[in-house]
Amino acid sequence: NAGVTQTPKFQVLKTGQSMTLQCAQDMNHNSMYWYRQDPGMGLRLIYYSASEGTTDKGEVPNGYNVSRLNKREFSLRLESAAPSQTSVYFCASSVRDRVDEQYFGPGTRLTVT
Amino acid sequence: AQTVTQSQPEMSVQEAETVTLSCTYDTSESNYYLFWYKQPPSRQMILVIRQEAYKQQNATENRFSVNFQKAAKSFSLKISDSQLGDTAMYFCAFMKRGDMRFGAGTRLTVKP
Repeated sequence: NAGVTQTPKFQVLKTGQSMTLQCAQDMNHNSMYWYRQDPGMGLRLIYYSASEGTTDKGEVPNGYNVSRLNKREFSLRLESAAPSQTSVYFCASSVRDRVDEQYFGPGTRLTVT
Repeated sequence: AQTVTQSQPEMSVQEAETVTLSCTYDTSESNYYLFWYKQPPSRQMILVIRQEAYKQQNATENRFSVNFQKAAKSFSLKISDSQLGDTAMYFCAFMKRGDMRFGAGTRLTVKP
């Protein structure tokens, strides 16, 4: 099993450009999550999907949209990137959203200039 | 909103010794879950240990154990027999209904 995979690993965008971060898991988990990690801070939840067909806002959802494409895939879209969105983005998954530990992907380092 | 505080930005320990990392949290909930995650320089987030709030017994995983004090809202991590591979950032996390909140982390360095 590959676990949780993310693409791309690195990305540089200009202000105003759009892009989609892809995440997939092969563990048959029901729940998936997107986080951002800024220097000197812990991870902050952007959006999560408790199950296929549902999505909910986390702590810092502004400027982002998500799509739970199917049970395996959960994408994060930046419609108009801003320098404040420069960060490392992590995708995670868990069996259930309420009780289980989360398994993380390797992260995507995004720089917006 | 739940908040998680790790008051020690950096700590160091000699190899083979014991170190304790502190974590406090603020919540009005009674049922929740607590975790410690490790992030080595590779950036990968790795689960170290978890604790269910309804369990009074402290969780243990090999060299890692927690001291969970529910009334005090405290959740510290003890690492025994520290190894060089334990060098990493350690994050305490609180979870309720899928919403996970992390502390700012403690950078632990194990010295030979």
